[in-house]
Amino acid sequence: NAGVTQTPKFQVLKTGQSMTLQCAQDMNHNSMYWYRQDPGMGLRLIYYSASEGTTDKGEVPNGYNVSRLNKREFSLRLESAAPSQTSVYFCASSPSPGVWGYTFGSGTRLTVV
Amino acid sequence: DQQVKQNSPSLSVQEGRISILNCDYTNSMFDYFLWYKKYPAEGPTFLISISSIKDKNEDGRFTVFLNKSAKHLSLHIVPSQPGDSAVYFCAASAISNAGGTSYGKLTFGQGTILTVHP
Repeated sequence: NAGVTQTPKFQVLKTGQSMTLQCAQDMNHNSMYWYRQDPGMGLRLIYYSASEGTTDKGEVPNGYNVSRLNKREFSLRLESAAPSQTSVYFCASSPSPGVWGYTFGSGTRLTVV
Repeated sequence: DQQVKQNSPSLSVQEGRISILNCDYTNSMFDYFLWYKKYPAEGPTFLISISSIKDKNEDGRFTVFLNKSAKHLSLHIVPSQPGDSAVYFCAASAISNAGGTSYGKLTFGQGTILTVHP
């Protein structure tokens, strides 16, 4: 029972490089979310997908794009990485927008130099 | 604009004593509140929740109290154990789509690092 799987676990990028963070869940959940965690800021919502085929901006969407590839997968893309995007990124899923059983992945630690 | 605030970055308690973690919120549309626990190098895991129709919810050693008039909630851990040492996040959302405020999305506080000493 994998739950929510994020890849990679660690990544170092140079400023201006691009990359995609992958997230997959095997719980047949409808809703998926991307958060970033920064010291003193808690977890902030970047983008979410209430259901397959829909995506919406969260609190801090600038510099990111997302793709809900199918019901299982929700990817986060950094087109041109900046040092301000150094953070720990968490993907989460829930059965539906109104159900609070968020299951989180173990995170991706990204450093942009 | 931090809608959910945990003003204590850290808390240190002795094993066996009570740990009290606090959280304040500003958005009056929030009507469902949760606490998550996070160990290093792991994702947050759900701990306990409370809806706005209640003022207390208990699960074993963990109790959450909600004071709607003060827009304040707290998590009590009794007795505290070394294994409780972690970062604790409170989170809030709205369970209805009225006005669309935060529907389906959790807003988290900054987190409080709890250390329980043996």
